Amino acid sequence: AQSVTQLDSQVPVFEEAPVELRCNYSSSVSVYLFWYVQYPNQGLQLLLKYLSGSTLVESINGFEAEFNKSQTSFHLRKPSVHISDTAEYFCAVSTNTGGFKTIFGAGTRLFVKA
Amino acid sequence: GAGVSQTPSNKVTEKGKYVELRCDPISGHTALYWYRQSLGQGPEFLIYFQGTGAADDSGLPNDRFFAVRPEGSVSTLKIQRTERGDSAVYLCASSLIWGDTQYFGPGTRLTVL
Repeated sequence: AQSVTQLDSQVPVFEEAPVELRCNYSSSVSVYLFWYVQYPNQGLQLLLKYLSGSTLVESINGFEAEFNKSQTSFHLRKPSVHISDTAEYFCAVSTNTGGFKTIFGAGTRLFVKA
Repeated sequence: GAGVSQTPSNKVTEKGKYVELRCDPISGHTALYWYRQSLGQGPEFLIYFQGTGAADDSGLPNDRFFAVRPEGSVSTLKIQRTERGDSAVYLCASSLIWGDTQYFGPGTRLTVL
């Protein structure tokens, strides 16, 4: 069965520093990959997604993630974070192998310090 | 336009009672999903509807849980004989088609005393 691992439960970082939030999944067979973000006191919303095509995808607020099929990873990066990026980030994989499921990781809490 | 809405926002019930949680998806979205989220965890997949039918209900934990979507829009998640372990935030999401961006509702916080 598909599984998603977010290796860091919490990532503290100073403002304007770079950050990488790691995500690994168990199988590359027929997957769509997503990062969702949950800002304090708000609902889950899409940050970026990989469905097909270019393996590097970007969000409108400067985040990017790269689909690495050989390493079954979809790490999220930002070269310079802002205080407003403080949130919980969830990696998710949708697969139609053996059903139609979306599996979420446990989440990574990004805390940006001034 | 209107997003995904869920009612009630909070539900407190006693062990053994029956509860219904409602989800109103975005109009025109054929795909609807239910998840359960416990504190400190990511959303846990419960069931996926394509139109009126449950295309994948493998995430429902046991036969006390049941969900319907009779007209292909509103969905209801039903939990019989609630247990304290059922306490969680229940999230609903919808998308145009399966595999595309999911739009989440605010969730229903269920507390079983």
